[in-house]
Amino acid sequence: GAVVSQHPSWVICKSGTSVKIECRSLDFQATTMFWYRQFPKQSLMLMATSNEGSKATYEQGVEKDKFLINHASLTLSTLTVTSAHPEDSSFYICSAVPINQPQHFGDGTRLSIL
Amino acid sequence: AQSVTQPDIHITVSEGASLELRCNYSYGATPYLFWYVQSPGQGLQLLLKYFSGDTLVQGIKGFEAEFKRSQSSFNLRKPSVHWSDAAEYFCAVGAQRNQGGKLIFGQGTELSVKP
Repeated sequence: GAVVSQHPSWVICKSGTSVKIECRSLDFQATTMFWYRQFPKQSLMLMATSNEGSKATYEQGVEKDKFLINHASLTLSTLTVTSAHPEDSSFYICSAVPINQPQHFGDGTRLSIL
Repeated sequence: AQSVTQPDIHITVSEGASLELRCNYSYGATPYLFWYVQSPGQGLQLLLKYFSGDTLVQGIKGFEAEFKRSQSSFNLRKPSVHWSDAAEYFCAVGAQRNQGGKLIFGQGTELSVKP
């Protein structure tokens, strides 16, 4: 149980386009989801906390207008990278929180901006 | 400041040998501690967690970890490593048992296993 699905797993797009990444909790409801960014050979950096039905809470230094988060239902949060540029290329990982359980992670999305 | 330190960036062990990955934390409140494993290009899988009680916790895949408050450590161990254990390992600390709160991750330790 407690499966988190992330889609797409890999995306390549041109500079200036917007990219949407989905994070779904498949067999549980999650009022809270987290979005992380991971650079090669580095740890996870928390970008924002996604709260169902309310605005996301962004970490310091993360541009909320650049990384739009929507948590419209108890099983889905989306991260949209707007006007993406090569420096936005990274591995993005989401996690969701089942009740009384630790965070469960998706398999990540590798984003490459050309 | 709250932080997690994994002193070893990369460790290589022989298959069948024992393993210990170090984790030290700095946390102002009661820590809830986790070890996650990440295979290349994938997300994180929870190996084990410590909330309270017995300071030696058992996890999946034969891993265990020991919480030592006096040393602010939560080291991960495995008596006999398998080639499939090669991966990146992350120690993390959080403030809330139900994990509605954030996690602070260490820098990670990359484990290589040689035949």
